[in-house]
Amino acid sequence: QSVLTQPPSVSAAPGQKVSISCSGSSSNIGSNYVSWYQQLPGTAPKLLIYDNDNRPSGIPDRFSGSKSGTSATLGITGLQTGDEADYYCGTWDSSLSAWVFGGGTKLTVL
Amino acid sequence: QLQLQESGPGLVKPSETLSLTCTVSGGSVTSSTYYWGWIRQPPGKGLEWIGSIHNSGSTYYNPSLESRVSISGDTFTKQFSLKLNSVTAADTAVYYCVKAYYSDSSGPHMDVWGKGTTVTVSS
Repeated sequence: QSVLTQPPSVSAAPGQKVSISCSGSSSNIGSNYVSWYQQLPGTAPKLLIYDNDNRPSGIPDRFSGSKSGTSATLGITGLQTGDEADYYCGTWDSSLSAWVFGGGTKLTVL
Repeated sequence: QLQLQESGPGLVKPSETLSLTCTVSGGSVTSSTYYWGWIRQPPGKGLEWIGSIHNSGSTYYNPSLESRVSISGDTFTKQFSLKLNSVTAADTAVYYCVKAYYSDSSGPHMDVWGKGTTVTVSS
């Protein structure tokens, strides 16, 4: 049982957009920055979004992040088959004094 | 560009100690904004943070693993290490070493990942 809650899977057609939610509490998302990670099949995770809504250099602007209260959302527009991956949200939990991840969301581009 | 490479035994016997090393290359390791850590992923499951160490020597551990884990680092050799004792089959996972960035103007986030190394706990 993860501290952060994500939907197990989402799907959409190529060219469409999708949103992946990440729900937490006041001790984690509610009081700390959220980051998102993309894990393509058989590879290590990669940083996609940091500080709620910032993209590292090299990440296309098709990827966006937002946060409101104790929830965060990753948005992906113009879906491509190469976006098929597992996506994880993460943040610091001030009560646990630990870094916590969501359970991950598998994106399928139909 | 900073790169991380994990190394260590791929097979560990139950009740023994899992020991892994991460070697950093391609850049400085001494910035006060850097934290070095370990994350693992059991087969078919999600990511679990194990712990991190700051260049000051301060360590931070997952409370669920704290009694069994130790992370140390050496800025001269650009290596940091993970030790997890009394392992069981539940510790079988891909282990990633990571660099986290954290500053006054930016929250913590894992911006560099190693490729990962698979560790199996079995007799």
